[in-house]
Amino acid sequence: DSGVTQTPKHLITATGQRVTLRCSPRSGDLSVYWYQQSLDQGLQFLIQYYNGEERAKGNILERFSAQQFPDLHSELNLSSLELGDSALYFCASSVGPGREVEQYFGPGTRLTVT
Amino acid sequence: QKEVEQDPGPLSVPEGAIVSLNCTYSNSAFQYFMWYRQYSRKGPELLMYTYSSGNKEDGRFTAQVDKSSKYISLFIRDSQPSDSATYLCAMPNSGGYQKVTFGTGTKLQVIP
Repeated sequence: DSGVTQTPKHLITATGQRVTLRCSPRSGDLSVYWYQQSLDQGLQFLIQYYNGEERAKGNILERFSAQQFPDLHSELNLSSLELGDSALYFCASSVGPGREVEQYFGPGTRLTVT
Repeated sequence: QKEVEQDPGPLSVPEGAIVSLNCTYSNSAFQYFMWYRQYSRKGPELLMYTYSSGNKEDGRFTAQVDKSSKYISLFIRDSQPSDSATYLCAMPNSGGYQKVTFGTGTKLQVIP
């Protein structure tokens, strides 16, 4: 158990809908990362937050947004969902900047868009 | 060309074999090199990371970096069925808040 929690474990929704994925980092970690993992694209970095502020952005679609709250948990919002958004979404956490090499991953949320 | 390339496998070996998993990369600015293990339907788990060139050993696992060839390897000695998983290499971009680029992973199966 990495200490990173993610809810829900599974999510099934329809195209056009909006969902929110939640992540709680390990105790003491200030950085949160979101990744998308699909069969054809592998693990893709979406976005990083550090202590409530956005710090790095990857291949995140405009339909997706995230935030990190004062208690350090983070939420990833996916809207206007398309079939191609079906994937595993992982959250990871680390102590902070410069410690990206030691990221600890949660169990993931499996999103299925029908 | 992807920044990080991995042979997807699957790679099947008998129990007790030495396994070699490899990645190539194109960005010469990469300085840290990480290896993750991912069991089916689970999150990736950090195995080890190395800085710059050279070797690093942790139990049955050895990570090797050859920056001149932009080639990294993970060796597993005395492989066990419990090592059956997908192995991902990963490299953070240099600089401040860093994006991490992952390889697509190599699926390993260790046959008892």
